[in-house]
Amino acid sequence: AQRVTQPEKLLSVFKGAPVELKCNYSYSGSPELFWYVQYSRQRLQLLLRHISRESIKGFTADLNKGETSFHLKKPFAQEEDSAMYYCALSRDSSASKIIFGSGTRLSIRP
Amino acid sequence: IAGITQAPTSQILAAGRRMTLRCTQDMRHNAMYWYRQDLGLGLRLIHYSNTAGTTGKGEVPDGYSVSRANTDDFPLTLASAVPSQTSVYFCASSEGLAGPGTGELFFGEGSRLTVL
Repeated sequence: AQRVTQPEKLLSVFKGAPVELKCNYSYSGSPELFWYVQYSRQRLQLLLRHISRESIKGFTADLNKGETSFHLKKPFAQEEDSAMYYCALSRDSSASKIIFGSGTRLSIRP
Repeated sequence: IAGITQAPTSQILAAGRRMTLRCTQDMRHNAMYWYRQDLGLGLRLIHYSNTAGTTGKGEVPDGYSVSRANTDDFPLTLASAVPSQTSVYFCASSEGLAGPGTGELFFGEGSRLTVL
């Protein structure tokens, strides 16, 4: 069965420290992976997707098929990064089959 | 630009009552979705619609129904609400049906539903 696992419910780091939000998936096909973010009092929105290979707000994520992981990283955390982060998997490149992980709340301490 | 509009933003209702959550999009997106967000469980897909006139079941469809009479509207109905349906409900839409890069979802602000 397809599954997205985010092992940390809460991650708290100091401002300026590196951040890594973990995401592992199980899927037998070729998945498309995403990170979505929900800032306080804002809508859930796309942060980045693996096919774009881009850095958004200093965040990057590399798809590691060997480890079936798609961890989200940022070298230096900022206070405005505090938010809820969801890893998501799209099966067969179809938007109707997007599965979300349980989410990680990132808290950046000043 | 409104994007996705959901109503109501919050509602308390008694168990056994019927409730419809409304969702409207102005982006002319083909696909629309309903998710529920629960602490520790993340977002779970209830129902989806790939195009007007068609609907499909997600991960947790029981107790919910949807319709897609036109491109813009995708209401979610709870025929007889139960306390386990207390949740935050998110409506979303996406442009395409398949192919790389079509997987981006655009979300509404959510509807907080409490069933007593």
